Amino acid sequence: RKEVEQDPGPFNVPEGATVAFNCTYSNSASQSFFWYRQDCRKEPKLLMSVYSSGNEDGRFTAQLNRASQYISLLIRDSKLSDSATYLCVVNYRAAGNKLTFGGGTRVLVKP
Amino acid sequence: ETGVTQTPRHLVMGMTNKKSLKCEQHLGHNAMYWYKQSAKKPLELMFVYNFKEQTENNSVPSRFSPECPNSSHLFLHLHTLQPEDSALYLCASSQGGEDYEQYFGPGTRLTVT
Repeated sequence: RKEVEQDPGPFNVPEGATVAFNCTYSNSASQSFFWYRQDCRKEPKLLMSVYSSGNEDGRFTAQLNRASQYISLLIRDSKLSDSATYLCVVNYRAAGNKLTFGGGTRVLVKP
Repeated sequence: ETGVTQTPRHLVMGMTNKKSLKCEQHLGHNAMYWYKQSAKKPLELMFVYNFKEQTENNSVPSRFSPECPNSSHLFLHLHTLQPEDSALYLCASSQGGEDYEQYFGPGTRLTVT
């Protein structure tokens, strides 16, 4: 089983719709969670950190489910500019840190 | 300049060449990272430096040799690479360690012929 797993997509989303996708992680001792966004042929950029209680930033909502070992990202009122690959990142902190990226979920928002 | 810069942006090298990738961060961060991004594979963390000290080496072959002369500069020295080493090499920095937001540079697209 991969340490951090994501549905590669693509998720084809009509403009204005809501889309949600998950990321599962295998190590229950994982400590920190993030969503990064990567546009085609660009570097990743932090979208949001994921907190235990869940958090929201505008149209984006992130949730953490420790019992089932997954995090989720929900995008409301999708914009064409939301088209990107969304990378799930998990930091497993036991003896030191181990930062692991998922393969990304591609989202295509269409008019 | 601001943010994280990387040079060169593109590099083509033969298997017997020696080259170096350079990364510079202008953010006052104390941690820097090298990543490899290959087509259809997740981003792979290669090396981590905290306060110029290497804290992680994720089983990277010795043909990749990092150097961190100060907290603003990071190099990746390359020698006798293989074609499968062709990838996008990304540098990143963060204020603290891996629990903090990482700022990525634009990457160096490396092709090994």
